[in-house]
Amino acid sequence: GQNIDQPTEMTATEGAIVQINCTYQTSGFNGLFWYQQHAGEAPTFLSYNVLDGLEEKGRFSSFLSRSKGYSYLLLKELQMKDSASYLCAVPLAGNTPLVFGKGTRLSVIA
Amino acid sequence: DAEITQSPRHKITETGRQVTLACHQTWNHNNMFWYRQDLGHGLRLIHYSYGVQDTNKGEVSDGYSVSRSNTEDLPLTLESAASSQTSVYFCASSTDHNHPLHFGNGTRLTVT
Repeated sequence: GQNIDQPTEMTATEGAIVQINCTYQTSGFNGLFWYQQHAGEAPTFLSYNVLDGLEEKGRFSSFLSRSKGYSYLLLKELQMKDSASYLCAVPLAGNTPLVFGKGTRLSVIA
Repeated sequence: DAEITQSPRHKITETGRQVTLACHQTWNHNNMFWYRQDLGHGLRLIHYSYGVQDTNKGEVSDGYSVSRSNTEDLPLTLESAASSQTSVYFCASSTDHNHPLHFGNGTRLTVT
């Protein structure tokens, strides 16, 4: 979606930390979602932020700043299985369906 | 366990044919969605429904239609398949806007 921007590709080393950024524009914020999608598979839910701040869930954390229209997904202790695309999604206005960013393809290398 | 299933998983059809992709969910979710996913475009919304007899157009609805006669099913019909509709199609459902989408495994459609 043209209202959501993410980097196209990123590469990181096994065991390291990587931050995937997402900027968005909406006319009625109602939460931001992050999904993970392995090649050839369906997206799966990772996190949901509706308030400013950091939400931590194991090795994955997600941060939101509503005033800046900005979120990031933080992946710690990277594993090879974390190689996937990461999709940022928001409703463009209030209770409308999710619009997805084009996704960031993360490659974890040894 | 509740689930969402799509069929077929793969389909090859010819230009001009009518094609219907099935989506069935046992979550009892009111909200159901169809997205297509293409390289360089990400997931784009085709149609969606917030309940029985409710259907709405999404960003890329031209050439597609849906119907919602019950809670469980939202079939997607391509009226006259075009090569531009070659894509991977994902169906999804959710309880409401503040809850995550559950995706089906996708249907890979090739229009020749």
